[in-house]
Amino acid sequence: GAVVSQHPSWVICKSGTSVKIECRSLDFQATTMFWYRQFPKQSLMLMATSNEGSKATYEQGVEKDKFLINHASLTLSTLTVTSAHPEDSSFYICSARISGREKLFFGSGTQLSVL
Amino acid sequence: GENVEQHPSTLSVQEGDSAVIKCTYSDSASNYFPWYKQELGKRPQLIIDIRSNVGEKKDQRIAVTLNKTAKHFSLHITETQPEDSAVYFCAAHTSNTGKLIFGQGTTLQVKP
Repeated sequence: GAVVSQHPSWVICKSGTSVKIECRSLDFQATTMFWYRQFPKQSLMLMATSNEGSKATYEQGVEKDKFLINHASLTLSTLTVTSAHPEDSSFYICSARISGREKLFFGSGTQLSVL
Repeated sequence: GENVEQHPSTLSVQEGDSAVIKCTYSDSASNYFPWYKQELGKRPQLIIDIRSNVGEKKDQRIAVTLNKTAKHFSLHITETQPEDSAVYFCAAHTSNTGKLIFGQGTTLQVKP
């Protein structure tokens, strides 16, 4: 089956620093990837849709200048949390689908802790 | 935009009993409805899904029903086992946006 790899699996950083999270589709090409954020004991909230070769589409309430998304190739999307603060601490998870199909394949997630 | 409501938020059953989780969605253009099981700190695992042209689907102890008119779909787990204990999420996909929107989640506890 399709595999989505996400790195790092966890990261601890100081407040004010930036953190980059990578999401790769290993055995298929993904023109579209999705980034979700999940706070403890809550649901997965869609942050943005990452489109290869074009700008990401952000959900309402998500700051595009704070959560930078780059989808430079058909197999890689990155999410950069800029100037991270403790309230950005969360579980970030990416997903991708094979073109023309509805099923989403999820990365393993990144637990971000901002001190 | 699409909104998915899920109930109950917590569910406790005795081993061997059945568990039912219900979801409603708002966008009539939604056409794909997956259910996920998520363990703490892990990625969601797809357990069953259903498309809008089907009313019911079953896979061993798990079944999903869909009522398009009411915009309602449900997950049924029969003969529950302690290892079924986890958080379950429903979701709805809309083809025109490509987005998958999740319900709030249900914490299922199966007591031995």
